[in-house]
Order: sequence, then C-alpha cells, then structure tokens
Amino acid sequence: DARVTQTPRDKVTEMGQEVTMRCQPILGHNTVFWYRQTMMQGLELLAYFRNRAPLDDSGMPKDRFSAEMPDATLATLKIQPSEPRDSAVYFCASGWGGETQYFGPGTRLLVL
Amino acid sequence: QQQVKQSPQSLIVQKGGISIINCAYENTAFDYFPWYQQFPGKGPALLIAIRPDVSEKKEGRFTISFNKSAKQFSLHIMDSQPGDSATYFCAANNYGQNFVFGPGTRLSVLP
Repeated sequence: DARVTQTPRDKVTEMGQEVTMRCQPILGHNTVFWYRQTMMQGLELLAYFRNRAPLDDSGMPKDRFSAEMPDATLATLKIQPSEPRDSAVYFCASGWGGETQYFGPGTRLLVL
Repeated sequence: QQQVKQSPQSLIVQKGGISIINCAYENTAFDYFPWYQQFPGKGPALLIAIRPDVSEKKEGRFTISFNKSAKQFSLHIMDSQPGDSATYFCAANNYGQNFVFGPGTRLSVLP
C-alpha cells in the first residue's frame, strides 16, 4: 500500500530556529505539492514540483521559506527563521500529472 | 477568480439522511473538480472527482452533481453514517495547474 510519508510528525521549536520538513512521495509520482493548513486560512498551496522542477511557489513567503527536491524520493520544506505565525499543519502530497493528489499524514508545527 | 466558495461551513445530519455540500467557482478554465475527505489528525483523501463534460458522477453513496452553466458543483452523501463525520473539501484545477481548495465543511452525522 503505497503512501506519502512525512517526517517529523510533530515539531515544537522556538522562534528564530530553522525547521526542516521532509516528504517521501509515492514511488513513480512525478508531481509533489506542499500545503499549509490552519483553522483561519484552510488549505493553502505553498509550492509544487513536477519532475523535480519547481513550477509554482507563489504561495510561499519567499523571505523565510524554501522548498527543494534533491532527488525524486525526497522533497524538503525549510523555514528559516521560524515565527509563531508559521504554526500550522504542513502537508505534502504527490501525484501523477497533478490532478489526483495523495496526501501524507502531515507535520504539525508549533513555533513558540 | 481563483477562489472556490463552499457552503455550508458546518452540517449536522441524522444517520440515514442526505448530506449536501455546495461549491461554486469563477474560473471557467478549471477542468477537474475533486472532493476530499479529511478525518482529524489525517491528511485529506480523494473521495470522488468529476470533469465538466458530465453532469453527475456516482460512486457508492457519494454523488457529485455538476452544473457547468452555473459554475457550481455539489457533493451528496446518501444514507449518511456516523463514520462519514469528517471535513469535506471541494477543489478545482485546470490541466494540473492552479490548484484551489474550498474552505471546508465539517460534517457531523448523529447516530
């Protein structure tokens, strides 16, 4: 049963610290998405990649967020420096072509 | 124009009843309309999806109705069960781009 995996599942950090979230997409999928979910804003698309190339990161605060795909089995989302307003659940999703997305379990981030 | 509006925000239905969630969009370039189901502590999971060339799609107890001229689509859950209690999101995109999610509807099905 192929699944998207995300690590860590929970992260508590202090303001100003660097946070790195990792995602392993389903093998064979060529599109990877990063979302942020909060009660106030709902699900927000931060960035997505196709064939490891970034296609759109317009939803991501550029000054502190960065997303990369070092290889086809790993996607990373970094926040540096982190701020309390970054507290949210971050989801990674993967798919083939992008229409159907399979979500991971999420990383719950709390920035104190 | 990129938004997808969704209503109601929350919904309470008795077991066995019909749950109806509505969504509306503006961007006529959207060509794929999925619905996702999310349980607490889990990621959203694809439930059912439709393209604008059909007006209805049914999978088990779940049906999408699509009105292209009105730019609206809805999810119907027949014979709602307590296990259906979750948050439901409609979404839209065009050719694998411009992904937009609705704000979500929290459904509670009472036993």
